[in-house]
Amino acid sequence: QQQVKQSPQSLIVQKGGISIINCAYENTAFDYFPWYQQFPGKGPALLIAIRPDVSEKKEGRFTISFNKSAKQFSLHIMDSQPGDSATYFCAAGGAGTALIFGKGTTLSVSS
Amino acid sequence: DAGVIQSPRHEVTEMGQEVTLRCKPISGHNSLFWYRQTMMRGLELLIYFNNNVPIDDSGMPEDRFSAKMPNASFSTLKIQPSEPRDSAVYFCASSPRTGGGGYTFGSGTRLTVV
Repeated sequence: QQQVKQSPQSLIVQKGGISIINCAYENTAFDYFPWYQQFPGKGPALLIAIRPDVSEKKEGRFTISFNKSAKQFSLHIMDSQPGDSATYFCAAGGAGTALIFGKGTTLSVSS
Repeated sequence: DAGVIQSPRHEVTEMGQEVTLRCKPISGHNSLFWYRQTMMRGLELLIYFNNNVPIDDSGMPEDRFSAKMPNASFSTLKIQPSEPRDSAVYFCASSPRTGGGGYTFGSGTRLTVV
């Protein structure tokens, strides 16, 4: 499988701070880059997604930044809250291919 | 909409036994995916179906694993014989299409093989 490399593996952020998670992909045919959020005992749920025709997408406190030339994208969580504590997965996919996921980042937001 | 339904939620079995995991996708979704989640390897794609036809099973670890989708509303993942290293959380997801978005995951089956 084509790899999607995600870092860091874990992250601790103070309440109100900015959480940043990074991902890199290999396959230039990928054209869809989502982020999923997973709480303990639950399945991953779509948080936000971007396509390579834009460099940034913002939804509330969550922003994806996308760098096509570097084949990298990142998730920024502004004003991080304890309720954001979860595992976050980046993924990449394209037409006719299933999503390939990164290994996940466990975020803890301390109050 | 009830979402993607997986059963059982938890399964504990002895090494060597057959295990069958079940999934009911969202009605109208044409693509179905089986993923396995472990701490070491994260979310791994095992197999996916498009319109009930297996498209890519390259992620299936060994011949001990098999998956079927006899109709648009039901899929199974079978492990025979099971081994302790198969212990993981198995997720089923469905989507209106293979590429792009719209994946909805079930709550998963936590499998423990002792």
